Order: sequence, then structure tokens, then C-alpha cells
Amino acid sequence: GDSVTQMEGPVTLSEEAFLTINCTYTATGYPSLFWYVQYPGEGLQLLLKATKADDKGSNKGFEATYRKETTSFHLEKGSVQVSDSAVYFCALRKRTYKYIFGTGTRLKVLA
Amino acid sequence: EAGVTQFPSHSVIEKGQTVTLRCDPISGHDNLYWYRRVMGKEIKFLLHFVKESKQDESGMPNNRFLAERTGGTYSTLKVQPAELEDSGVYFCASSQDPGTGDGYTFGSGTRLTVV
Repeated sequence: GDSVTQMEGPVTLSEEAFLTINCTYTATGYPSLFWYVQYPGEGLQLLLKATKADDKGSNKGFEATYRKETTSFHLEKGSVQVSDSAVYFCALRKRTYKYIFGTGTRLKVLA
Repeated sequence: EAGVTQFPSHSVIEKGQTVTLRCDPISGHDNLYWYRRVMGKEIKFLLHFVKESKQDESGMPNNRFLAERTGGTYSTLKVQPAELEDSGVYFCASSQDPGTGDGYTFGSGTRLTVV
């Protein structure tokens, strides 16, 4: 079946460091790919998405590129801030209502 | 516009007790979903309502879980009797179009701890 694998956390970085959170997927067909973020005490929020191969999603300085050849959708940010501390979830969804999520990666950014 | 509201935000109950979680979707969203994240694992789909009808309950773990959506508005998820392995975070979401995912919005979740 379809699945998403993301790197285990926690990831601890200093402020202004470069961030990469790896995500790979297994799916038939052509899923859309997503990164969701959960800040402490808040709900899951859509961070960015990409709907087809080679698309780049971006938001709030975060970027991820849909790589069909490597079945990957790695999340990157050039300079993290303390306020980026959260749990990040990679997910896929086909043209249906059901998301398939990864296990989540906790990011902690130190001042 | 109000988002998806869930309560309680936290619940601690003893094994064998009953707990009811509630979700208020965004007004006008016919589609409502429940998901669950067990400690350290992925967020998994539980079920999907269209208005008051269950369209897909393939993710419900067992018959101790009962979801309802009376009148097609808010939804409840009851766990009876609760077991230790039911501990986790329960997310609710709602959307307008289930195919495109337009407006798919998650709530902040209910953290359930069974002791």
C-alpha cells in the first residue's frame, strides 16, 4: 500500500542553521505531496504542497520539490528561527479525501 | 471564519472507562474526518462522514470506537471501554470537496491518555 517515510527526530538546530527533513514516499499513480506543521498547542496546518513531478512548494521560507525519480519531497529552509520549532509531517494524498502521513519529525531550534 | 474546533483538548481516563471526543467542523463543510496519532507513529485515517452518513470507516480500529454525526453538524467519537493502546492524539478535519481537498482543515486535536 501507499506509505510515507520521514526521518526520525528530534532534530535540534541552532538559530540560522540550514534545515533538511527527509521524506520519501511509496505510491501508485500520481499523488499530491504535502508538508504539514503542528506548532505547540495548535492544530495541523498546511505548510506547503506540490501536485505534480518537479513542482516546488514554498511558504514561510520553507521549500520542497516533488522528485518522482527519487520518490522524495524533502523539506528545506535556509535559516531556521526559534519560532520554527514544531512537529513536521510529510503526507501524500491522491484525488481522494484520505491523507497518508509520515510519523512526524520534531524540530527544536535553539537561540 | 472559525476553524475546526475539538474538545476537550486533553483527557486522562482510566482503563475501562468511557470517553467522548467532540469535533465541530467549519460551517458549511459537509465532509468530516477523524484521524489518530498513536505515540510516535504516523497520523492514521479513521473515518469519513458526508453530512450525517459514514462514507468510509475502514480505519476504525475495533468496535470499541463509535463515531456519530447527528444532523450533519458536529461529530462525536466515543471510546468504550478505553484501553491503554487507545492513548494518542485524535484529530478531526473538515473539507468542502473531498476529491480536491479544497478547504481541508484540521483541528488542534484531543490528547487522550488512558492510564
